[in-house]
Amino acid sequence: GDSVTQTEGPVTLSEGTSLTVNCSYETKQYPTLFWYVQYPGEGPQLLFKVPKANEKGSNRGFEATYNKEATSFHLQKASVQESDSAVYYCALSDLAEGADRLTFGKGTQLIIQP
Amino acid sequence: GPKVLQIPSHQIIDMGQMVTLNCDPVSNHLYFYWYKQILGQQMEFLVNFYNGKVMEKSKLFKDQFSVERPDGSYFTLKIQPTALEDSAVYFCASSSRDRVYEQYFGPGTRLTVL
Repeated sequence: GDSVTQTEGPVTLSEGTSLTVNCSYETKQYPTLFWYVQYPGEGPQLLFKVPKANEKGSNRGFEATYNKEATSFHLQKASVQESDSAVYYCALSDLAEGADRLTFGKGTQLIIQP
Repeated sequence: GPKVLQIPSHQIIDMGQMVTLNCDPVSNHLYFYWYKQILGQQMEFLVNFYNGKVMEKSKLFKDQFSVERPDGSYFTLKIQPTALEDSAVYFCASSSRDRVYEQYFGPGTRLTVL
């Protein structure tokens, strides 16, 4: 079946530094890839999705490129803010497994210190 | 943005009892989902539901599990009887017909089976 592996947390950074959260995936087909963000006391919310290989998604200064050759979808941000502290989930959806079934990674807790 | 509500936020029950988890999805959404997250592990798909029917379920969706949405009210997950391994956080999600990939998640119900 499908699987997603991402950077194990927690990741602690100082405000203003750059962020990379690694995400790699395994699937037999051509998935749509997602990043979700979860703040304390809330459910995960979609940050952005990328349906096609070699395309980039972005939102709120975060970005990730769908790399089909490397089967990766790393999350990056040039300069993090304290408000970015949250848990970040990489996920995929694969037509072969069910068009709207999401497969998640374990999540990466990000802690930004002022 | 659109909100999915889940009731209760926490539930503690004895093994063998029945439990019903309630989800109030986004008002115009037609697709509904349940995911299960055991502490320290990734969120895993249980089931999706559309037009009064289960469309797809995973191996985690045991015979003791059932879902329904009677008369457009809460979308519910019932477990009868419960087992120790059912202890987890259960997330409900919903999506619209046009944007199946954009699932909106509730904050989760933490179920503890003693």
